[in-house]
Amino acid sequence: GENVEQHPSTLSVQEGDSAVIKCTYSDSASNYFPWYKQELGKGPQLIIDIRSNVGEKKDQRIAVTLNKTAKHFSLHITETQPEDSAVYFCAASLNDMRFGAGTRLTVKP
Amino acid sequence: ETGVTQTPRHLVMGMTNKKSLKCEQHLGHNAMYWYKQSAKKPLELMFVYNFKEQTENNSVPSRFSPECPNSSHLFLHLHTLQPEDSALYLCASSSRTGSDYGYTFGSGTRLTVV
Repeated sequence: GENVEQHPSTLSVQEGDSAVIKCTYSDSASNYFPWYKQELGKGPQLIIDIRSNVGEKKDQRIAVTLNKTAKHFSLHITETQPEDSAVYFCAASLNDMRFGAGTRLTVKP
Repeated sequence: ETGVTQTPRHLVMGMTNKKSLKCEQHLGHNAMYWYKQSAKKPLELMFVYNFKEQTENNSVPSRFSPECPNSSHLFLHLHTLQPEDSALYLCASSSRTGSDYGYTFGSGTRLTVV
């Protein structure tokens, strides 16, 4: 089955800096790659996704890139704000969704 | 609210108790999922239901018993649990199972087994 690895497990940045989270997946047939943000006391919320026929997607301050050949994809957050502090999960999907272990992002004011 | 509601939010139960977790969605989705979230581990898929039919049981111990009476409701019946079953249990739904449908998660039930 699909195996998703996510790095780093924790990330601390200064407000206004950029943050990058990276994931790799094992099954080259996976074709959908969502990213979820989980705030304290809440379930994961979908923030952006990318499909295998696209290399990059951007939505305001967040962007995701996908390298199918290398089987890795990344989340980029620019101009970070304290409210970006949360746990972020990547996932790869073929027939069902497999998640990475999560990255705890802390944005210091 | 995301459109997926889980109750209760918190549950403390003894190892000999029987309890049930409830999940409800009114998004018109046809697929529903149970996930277990433990500290510092990836989300673990437990069960998948598509159009009320169970399509996946991810080697979950029989002390967890799912029930899906209709496409809007999903239950997880618990009995004779172990302390290591303490975790956040998340319900999710999607339009259908498949490779490119985002999930909508509930806020979860924080379960503590004593």
